[in-house]
Amino acid sequence: DAGITQSPRHKVTETGTPVTLRCHQTENHRYMYWYRQDPGHGLRLIHYSYGVKDTDKGEVSDGYSVSRSKTEDFLLTLESATSSQTSVYFCAISGTNGPPNTDTQYFGPGTRLTVL
Amino acid sequence: AQTVTQSQPEMSVQEAETVTLSCTYDTSENNYYLFWYKQPPSRQMILVIRQEAYKQQNATENRFSVNFQKAAKSFSLKISDSQLGDTAMYFCAFMKPDATSGTYKYIFGTGTRLKVLA
Repeated sequence: DAGITQSPRHKVTETGTPVTLRCHQTENHRYMYWYRQDPGHGLRLIHYSYGVKDTDKGEVSDGYSVSRSKTEDFLLTLESATSSQTSVYFCAISGTNGPPNTDTQYFGPGTRLTVL
Repeated sequence: AQTVTQSQPEMSVQEAETVTLSCTYDTSENNYYLFWYKQPPSRQMILVIRQEAYKQQNATENRFSVNFQKAAKSFSLKISDSQLGDTAMYFCAFMKPDATSGTYKYIFGTGTRLKVLA
């Protein structure tokens, strides 16, 4: 299994507070992704990174920001959490050495976030 | 825009039997990849099988195989000799390379919850 960890694994917070989720990889993979999983929606891409300091928006990026200052860490920040951001968040990585390494995503264990 | 449809929200199968999960997708791309992921109650997303669109041969991984019909844009997953440990949510995913960023964009279906009955 790819070496991907997420922290925290569970978090309960209140509306209006900032929250940062961390994804850490030990695979030296170039690409990293943040998804949210909600019932009836599958996984939806929030933001992704294609290199250090290189990030872009996914389909549900409103209310989220990301940063990637080094290859192994990809941070997802909710500047002011809302109840609609209650979800399970997954980090994923993929590599750079050609198929199947580049096209196959491997997922972290997920973070369950509850915004009250 | 690409879409992925899994029309079976829930399915059940008897242990040792065979079950097929359906997935259809919509795209105008010619170069893409298709995946099935399994998500057991532990919530971990686990890759089950991968298919390149340019390959006509259907992918197989032990008890898991796909029926890839490119013209029909269909990508079904067959699980043979079902085991209790196969109980999970199964997600179909479509992926295409993004020419701008060099990365790969995934589109996921909404999932099929499979229960294997003893």
